[in-house]
Amino acid sequence: AQSVAQPEDQVNVAEGNPLTVKCTYSVSGNPYLFWYVQYPNRGLQFLLKYITGDNLVKGSYGFEAEFNKSQTSFHLKKPSALVSDSALYFCAVRDDSGGSYIPTFGRGTSLIVHP
Amino acid sequence: KAGVTQTPRYLIKTRGQQVTLSCSPISGHRSVSWYQQTPGQGLQFLFEYFSETQRNKGNFPGRFSGRQFSNSRSEMNVSTLELGDSALYLCASSLRGGSPNTEAFFGQGTRLTVV
Repeated sequence: AQSVAQPEDQVNVAEGNPLTVKCTYSVSGNPYLFWYVQYPNRGLQFLLKYITGDNLVKGSYGFEAEFNKSQTSFHLKKPSALVSDSALYFCAVRDDSGGSYIPTFGRGTSLIVHP
Repeated sequence: KAGVTQTPRYLIKTRGQQVTLSCSPISGHRSVSWYQQTPGQGLQFLFEYFSETQRNKGNFPGRFSGRQFSNSRSEMNVSTLELGDSALYLCASSLRGGSPNTEAFFGQGTRLTVV
């Protein structure tokens, strides 16, 4: 069984400050982790993924995420937030055991960047 | 390269009616998945099609069905609509199915309102 948790419904940050959006997961096998962003009235856009290898993954728009196996976390980060980063962020996990590879999405975290 | 196209963007239906939603994946993508997004439940997996075959199905009643055509275009159908079916329905395509490390590309969604 797999699950993913985004403990914060909303994150507020001032423009120019670093941001972190948290994600923790639980899987039976090896985790494949993804971050997506959703702007109002739009579908989800892929930001980055962790498959294997380096624990620090770099993605689109200056975002990066750090995979921490011992803490079962995959937090999304950006060194300097922009107002245009304000959106809904989803973490998703796939488990390579079982064979179906259906992704489980977190409930989403609303990021609000204040000017 | 054109993205995932979903039609229509908005729909208003009456309880008891049925509805068909359409999705055209990115050219060359053979896997199409459908999701229901609601404020209360978040993103819920409906089903996945690959090469015209349903590979996976989520935990939804039989009123929800889908199919995929030889050109990879997909449709989903909801019969006997209920108020609770009001949601944003998202289609996602990926290059290949049966792989845990492949990211999905989402359409803008169809906003279904049941009155």
